[in-house]
Amino acid sequence: QKEVEQDPGPLSVPEGAIVSLNCTYSNSAFQYFMWYRQYSRKGPELLMYTYSSGNKEDGRFTAQVDKSSKYISLFIRDSQPSDSATYLCAMSRGQNFVFGPGTRLSVLP
Amino acid sequence: GAVVSQHPSWVICKSGTSVKIECRSLDFQATTMFWYRQFPKQSLMLMATSNEGSKATYEQGVEKDKFLINHASLTLSTLTVTSAHPEDSSFYICSALFKNTEAFFGQGTRLTVV
Repeated sequence: QKEVEQDPGPLSVPEGAIVSLNCTYSNSAFQYFMWYRQYSRKGPELLMYTYSSGNKEDGRFTAQVDKSSKYISLFIRDSQPSDSATYLCAMSRGQNFVFGPGTRLSVLP
Repeated sequence: GAVVSQHPSWVICKSGTSVKIECRSLDFQATTMFWYRQFPKQSLMLMATSNEGSKATYEQGVEKDKFLINHASLTLSTLTVTSAHPEDSSFYICSALFKNTEAFFGQGTRLTVV
């Protein structure tokens, strides 16, 4: 079993839709949970960072962590074409930093 | 968020030459930095973990004599691709670990070996 698994893409949604991106992990020692957005030919950009179970909201983005189920999600409300990118979940403990493979999202106008 | 600067953003070099890529954390000290390689439409592939003042830890299958990593200070790590060949052409990305929690990424370097 891979340490971090992420729902396969690509995912295409119409503009304005609610998008749900998900990851599961196997190592219960992970302490910190992140979501990154990567546009083509750019470095990943940190979107959300959490360290506890529950929800964290930032504008149209909500990160959800369920440590008991080892499951994290990113919700995007009112999706825009500019949200089209690859989204990567990541988690860490100390120097152990692991990425999911990424989900490619396309928001169609 | 914290800023990581990677330089150059793109480079073209001749086959057989060496290329150095720099990764700097501009507003924080990073004991740990990571180097990744990414092919088009594929996910990030971790090449090595760089720790300040010690030898880098390379992932399986990555040639440490070909991809030289130096983390000489808490704000700078370098990746040198030695004797580059066309198959080394790729997108190389560094990241720096902030307070051992989240990582911040450089802009990436597109290397083309001709």
